[in-house]
Amino acid sequence: DVKVTQSSRYLVKRTGEKVFLECVQDMDHENMFWYRQDPGLGLRLIYFSYDVKMKEKGDIPEGYSVSREKKERFSLILESASTNQTSMYLCASSLSGGQGASYGYTFGSGTRLTVV
Amino acid sequence: QQQVKQSPQSLIVQKGGISIINCAYENTAFDYFPWYQQFPGKGPALLIAIRPDVSEKKEGRFTISFNKSAKQFSLHIMDSQPGDSATYFCAATGSYQLTFGKGTKLSVIP
Repeated sequence: DVKVTQSSRYLVKRTGEKVFLECVQDMDHENMFWYRQDPGLGLRLIYFSYDVKMKEKGDIPEGYSVSREKKERFSLILESASTNQTSMYLCASSLSGGQGASYGYTFGSGTRLTVV
Repeated sequence: QQQVKQSPQSLIVQKGGISIINCAYENTAFDYFPWYQQFPGKGPALLIAIRPDVSEKKEGRFTISFNKSAKQFSLHIMDSQPGDSATYFCAATGSYQLTFGKGTKLSVIP
């Protein structure tokens, strides 16, 4: 069963901490995405990557960075966690190519991050 | 910013009824329109999808209706069941990146 695995289901971090959220996919997908999900705001794209070592800013990249050193792994980094980054974080992947999204995204189960 | 507008934000339907969620888009370059279903504590999962060369696609109790001229598409859930209670997201794309609606929380009551 193919999947996207997020390393933590729940995290509690302190303000100012550097936080790493890890995502691994086993489908050999080129494209990987990080979203945050908040009530009433839907899914907002933070960063995405269409190849190893490549990254593109999404709609809300401020306060975040990413790393993709291997094809299967895409990490989201909160450089200095703040309370307004308390959210559900979702990782997704899709096939490559201009129509990659046409095959659909596969999402992980999410990491619920609380910053106190 | 490309948008997909989804309504209603929440929906309560009695068991056996029809649930209808609507979406509208602006970008005429969009050519793939999926719907995702998300249960509490889980990530969204692809439910059903349509391309604009057809006006309707049905899979079991789930149907997408597509109106290209109006740039609208909708999800119909026939004979809604309590197990259908979830958040539903419409989306659209013309490339490798999906644009999502803000979601509809569906509650099906017995």
